[in-house]
Amino acid sequence: RKEVEQDPGPFNVPEGATVAFNCTYSNSASQSFFWYRQDCRKEPKLLMSVYSSGNEDGRFTAQLNRASQYISLLIRDSKLSDSATYLCVVYTGGFKTIFGAGTRLFVKA
Amino acid sequence: GAVVSQHPSWVICKSGTSVKIECRSLDFQATTMFWYRQFPKQSLMLMATSNEGSKATYEQGVEKDKFLINHASLTLSTLTVTSAHPEDSSFYICSARGRNDGGYTFGSGTRLTVV
Repeated sequence: RKEVEQDPGPFNVPEGATVAFNCTYSNSASQSFFWYRQDCRKEPKLLMSVYSSGNEDGRFTAQLNRASQYISLLIRDSKLSDSATYLCVVYTGGFKTIFGAGTRLFVKA
Repeated sequence: GAVVSQHPSWVICKSGTSVKIECRSLDFQATTMFWYRQFPKQSLMLMATSNEGSKATYEQGVEKDKFLINHASLTLSTLTVTSAHPEDSSFYICSARGRNDGGYTFGSGTRLTVV
C-alpha cells in the first residue's frame, strides 16, 4: 500500500460544478497535511494547509479526518482556471514529506 | 512570503556532461532543502534531503555519486547531475520549509533534457 494515495483522475467537470478529492495516508503519526496545486510544467504551489478543524478559503474547503486517516479538498463553483493537478502532501515528521500522485482536474465550459 | 529561487529554468545538455542546479532561499534561512524529481505524469519523488553544513541524505535508489548535493550556506543548495544520460531527463525541483504555516516553498523547477 502506498503511503499516500489519491483519487485516480482525471476529473472532468463543467464550470460551476462542485468537485471533491480525497487522499488517504497510512502513517497514523503524520503531523501536517497540505493541498498543493500544480499547473502543467510548473512547480507546485501551496493551495492550503489542512487542519483538524477544517478550513475554508473562498471556494475551497479542506478537511482532515485523523480517525480514518484521510484528507479531502472540496472545490465549489468550479472555474476554468481551476484546471490543474492537485497534490496531497503529508509531512510525517523529521524530514519525511510524501506527495500523492496527484489528481488531474479539467474544468470545461 | 518565503521565496526560493531556482536556476536554471531549463537546460539541454549532451550525454556525459554535468549540470548544476541552484536553489537559493531569498528571504529566509533554509537549514534544510529537499530535492525532488518528477517524470511526466508522475508525482514528485524525493531524491535527497540536504542539510546546511552536513552531508545530504539520499533516498533509496538514488545514486549519491551521480547526484551531488551541496548545502554550503543557509541560503544556497546545489544539485549537480554528473555524467548525465538521457534517462536523467526530468523536472528537478527544490523545496524548503520556510513558511510560518508549515507549508513548503518550492523553487520554480529545472527542466533538464539530456540529448
